[in-house]
Amino acid sequence: RKEVEQDPGPFNVPEGATVAFNCTYSNSASQSFFWYRQDCRKEPKLLMSVYSSGNEDGRFTAQLNRASQYISLLIRDSKLSDSATYLCVVNTPTSGTYKYIFGTGTRLKVLA
Amino acid sequence: ETGVTQSPTHLIKTRGQQVTLRCSSQSGHNTVSWYQQALGQGPQFIFQYYREEENGRGNFPPRFSGLQFPNYSSELNVNALELDDSALYLCASMGAGQGDEQYFGPGTRLTVT
Repeated sequence: RKEVEQDPGPFNVPEGATVAFNCTYSNSASQSFFWYRQDCRKEPKLLMSVYSSGNEDGRFTAQLNRASQYISLLIRDSKLSDSATYLCVVNTPTSGTYKYIFGTGTRLKVLA
Repeated sequence: ETGVTQSPTHLIKTRGQQVTLRCSSQSGHNTVSWYQQALGQGPQFIFQYYREEENGRGNFPPRFSGLQFPNYSSELNVNALELDDSALYLCASMGAGQGDEQYFGPGTRLTVT
């Protein structure tokens, strides 16, 4: 089983739609969680950290369920500019330190 | 912009050669991590440096090595290049006492022929 799993998509949605991505992780000792956005042939950019209480930033809402070991990202009122790959990241203990484990990413294409 | 820079942007090498990639971390950040991202995959953790010491390593062979300098900039060295080493190499920096959010540089695209 992969340490962090995401549906690779692609998700093709019309402008204005609401879309949700899920991500599961295997290590219950994982400490912190993030969503990154990556445009084609560019570096990942931090979209938001994910907290147990859930957090919202404009049209984006992230949630964490520690009991079920999954993270979600909800995008409301999708824009063309939201088209990108969304990477789920889990900060996981390993050999006395922590390391970022990335999912393979979920591709989103917002259609006009 | 994150303030993390990497050089070179692109590089073409031949199998068996050696390569050095460079990264300058964001001002005030003392931790640098390196990742390899193959096409269609998420980034894979190579190793992390904290205050000039290796502080965690992923599943990469010893021919992947690194350094961190007193100004917290870093190098990734890869010896005996293989075709499968062709990838985007990303460096990310993180600051002490600033949570554990990492900020990525633009990456170096390495092609091994």
